[in-house]
This record gives sequence, structure tokens and C-alpha cells, in this order.
Amino acid sequence: GAVVSQHPSRVICKSGTSVKIECRSLDFQATTMFWYRQFPKKSLMLMATSNEGSKATYEQGVEKDKFLINHASLTLSTLTVTSAHPEDSSFYICSARVGGSAYEQYFGPGTRLTVT
Amino acid sequence: AQKITQTQPGMFVQEKEAVTLDCTYDTSDQSYGLFWYKQPSSGEMIFLIYQGSYDEQNATEGRYSLNFQKARKSANLVISASQLGDSAMYFCAMRAFTGANNLFFGTGTRLTVIP
Repeated sequence: GAVVSQHPSRVICKSGTSVKIECRSLDFQATTMFWYRQFPKKSLMLMATSNEGSKATYEQGVEKDKFLINHASLTLSTLTVTSAHPEDSSFYICSARVGGSAYEQYFGPGTRLTVT
Repeated sequence: AQKITQTQPGMFVQEKEAVTLDCTYDTSDQSYGLFWYKQPSSGEMIFLIYQGSYDEQNATEGRYSLNFQKARKSANLVISASQLGDSAMYFCAMRAFTGANNLFFGTGTRLTVIP
């Protein structure tokens, strides 16, 4: 299957700083990428959907000014957590959908963010 | 709006036995897809099986099969001949093929395979 990578896999940052997480589709072009957040022992919650070259669509309750998403190319999307706080600590997972596909959606390995 | 319900927070199964993980869903869409993902402790989401709402036959992928009962809006995952490596979190998910077209997940079931 198609491969999606995320970088970094783990990051620890101080409160008030910003952190950028990269999501790349390695062997296919992803017209749509998704960002999910997962709390410990909980389900994945969709944060936002991004289409290449256009603004991301955020789910209700997700602060768009805090979680900046950029989908600059068909193989790269970034999530920037701005002015991070301890409550932003979580597991962030990106996912990419093959353009025109009925159902193929591939997930990255996730990034564990810890804000101290 | 879609809603996915997994009522079993945890399940245990003896190695080599079969196990069924329950999933029910609610949607007003006529065209949708149902998915099962496995999440081991490493955190990655592994796609297991897919069932389209118009598929007449239940999906199968190796030891995984999906018991799709459209009238009951259920999409249970059956794992046959369980292996120790099957111990993980299992998520049922659904995507409607209209509107926002996003993938939404249930709360998950933690499966533990006992030697």
C-alpha cells in the first residue's frame, strides 16, 4: 500500500513555543490530507481537512489560529501548533487520500507531542 | 451526521480462536463505506478491511471478515484463528460519500489474545 510519513515522531517543547509537524505522501499524490488528534486510550478525532492549494476546513471546536495547516503541495501537509500549552499534548496523526479513490486513505505513523 | 458505536471497550480471546468485534453505525446517507483499522501500541493505523454500502457480499481479507448487516446498521469484524500479534486496539470507521466525505471513527475495542 501507499506510504505516509510523519516527522518528527516525537517532540517535546516548552509551553509558549510553536511546533511544526510534517506529513508526506511518499509514493502517491494526495489531493486531500487529514489531521487527527488522539488522546490516550481514546479514539481519533478529526481536526481538519486540507486540500492542496486551498485553505483547510476545520471541524467544530478546533481553533484554526492555534492549529495552522498548510497543504502546499500534493505530497506535503504541515500542522503547526502555535503557542503550545500542556493541554495540547497529544498524539497527532495525519492521513492522506488518493485523488479520485473511492476509499483508499492511508495513515502516517503519528507524532507524539509533549508540552512541558 | 454519522455516528459510530463500538460497545466493547475490551475483549479477550484465546489464541487460535475466532473473535467478533461489534460495530454499529447511524447515517442518513445512502452511499457510504465502512472500515476497520488496527492500532498496535506503536500508534500507527493499519487498514484491515473495507465494505461498501452497496456491496452485496461481505468483505473478506485473509483472516478478517466483515459481517455486514445493512438493515441492522452493523458492521462487525470477525478475526479467525487469533494470533498473539492481533492484540491491539481496533477501530471501526465510516465515511459517507456525500457531503464532507470524511472518515469518522468509533471509540475502539482493545483486543487481547491470550496464549
